[in-house]
Amino acid sequence: GAVVSQHPSWVICKSGTSVKIECRSLDFQATTMFWYRQFPKQSLMLMATSNEGSKATYEQGVEKDKFLINHASLTLSTLTVTSAHPEDSSFYICSARGLVHETQYFGPGTRLLVL
Amino acid sequence: QKEVEQNSGPLSVPEGAIASLNCTYSDRGSQSFFWYRQYSGKSPELIMSIYSNGDKEDGRFTAQLNKASQYVSLLIRDSQPSDSATYLCAVNTGFQKLVFGTGTRLLVSP
Repeated sequence: GAVVSQHPSWVICKSGTSVKIECRSLDFQATTMFWYRQFPKQSLMLMATSNEGSKATYEQGVEKDKFLINHASLTLSTLTVTSAHPEDSSFYICSARGLVHETQYFGPGTRLLVL
Repeated sequence: QKEVEQNSGPLSVPEGAIASLNCTYSDRGSQSFFWYRQYSGKSPELIMSIYSNGDKEDGRFTAQLNKASQYVSLLIRDSQPSDSATYLCAVNTGFQKLVFGTGTRLLVSP
């Protein structure tokens, strides 16, 4: 149980385009989903927390207009990187937390490369 | 002062030995604690959670919590080369989100 999927696993795009990443909880309902970013050899950096049906809460320094988060259902959250630039190239990982337990389960991650 | 601190390592142990990973946290009100394992290029996977003082065992893994000392540890018995990874300590400070340490890199040599 507690499986979280992400799609796509890899994406390469041109600078200026927008990229959408999906995060799904497959076997549980996730009241809260989290989006992280990880650069090579660095620790996880929390970008935002999203609760189903409400606006996401962004961490300090994360541009909410650049990283659009939608948590439309208890099993799906999306992160859209708008007008992506090479410095946005990173490993984006989502996690989900269920109704009962506060444990976060991570998706497999999406590697974004912006050319 | 960082909220969750871990020695970055690498911690090198021979195969079959016990690996001991340590973590300290600054928020005395923290209630739940987690250990995640992250292989290079992969996302973190949950190993154990612990909520009460004392030890919690799961197979070759034992988590230890001492809230008075604000200290969490993870012991890995009979370490295997496949245990080589970065181990992340995470603490729930009561605001939904987890605060992660920077991780300890473990190397288990055959």
